[in-house]
Amino acid sequence: GAGVSQSPSNKVTEKGKDVELRCDPISGHTALYWYRQRLGQGLEFLIYFQGNSAPDKSGLPSDRFSAERTGESVSTLTIQRTQQEDSAVYLCASSLYQDLYEYFGPGTRLTVL
Amino acid sequence: DQQVKQNSPSLSVQEGRISILNCDYTNSMFDYFLWYKKYPAEGPTFLISISSIKDKNEDGRFTVFLNKSAKHLSLHIVPSQPGDSAVYFCAASGTGGFKTIFGAGTRLFVKA
Repeated sequence: GAGVSQSPSNKVTEKGKDVELRCDPISGHTALYWYRQRLGQGLEFLIYFQGNSAPDKSGLPSDRFSAERTGESVSTLTIQRTQQEDSAVYLCASSLYQDLYEYFGPGTRLTVL
Repeated sequence: DQQVKQNSPSLSVQEGRISILNCDYTNSMFDYFLWYKKYPAEGPTFLISISSIKDKNEDGRFTVFLNKSAKHLSLHIVPSQPGDSAVYFCAASGTGGFKTIFGAGTRLFVKA
């Protein structure tokens, strides 16, 4: 079956522009997570959606970052007024409710010039 | 405040020998631990896990050991193969709404 997909795979943008990153989770997975990995660093939790519950936004680094999820499907992560320190690989993962195994997408590499 | 720590950023091992990757955690509420493996330009993939009620879990060449009193776990790969070269993330989770916390990763190089 299809895994988690993310688009675009690569995004180069200029400082100050807005970007939208998309994640398509595995069908039926109610939990969806966004992480980022900056160069040489580990996975940094950003936001977590679980069904219709209010999302856990505790990992979002600033108010320039926001994410939406349509029901239990697609999610978009939006970064407004991008900064060079936003350059990273943004990873999306999904899982079944209360399933501790997360299935990761291939990531979107964001480069802010 | 790093709740999950992987203090070795990299490890180099000869093919056929044992690779030991270490992980320490601080939160005693964690009750489930996982290892993920990540190749370049790919997302992490689940490798092996262990529940806090166990102290060892084995799957083929991969064994995870948990020492709850020391809040320490380790992943043993034996024998190591060049295809094992990747970044290994330790992760911890728990019941009660705990989200999974990942360590910074250890890059393993297995030399032929």
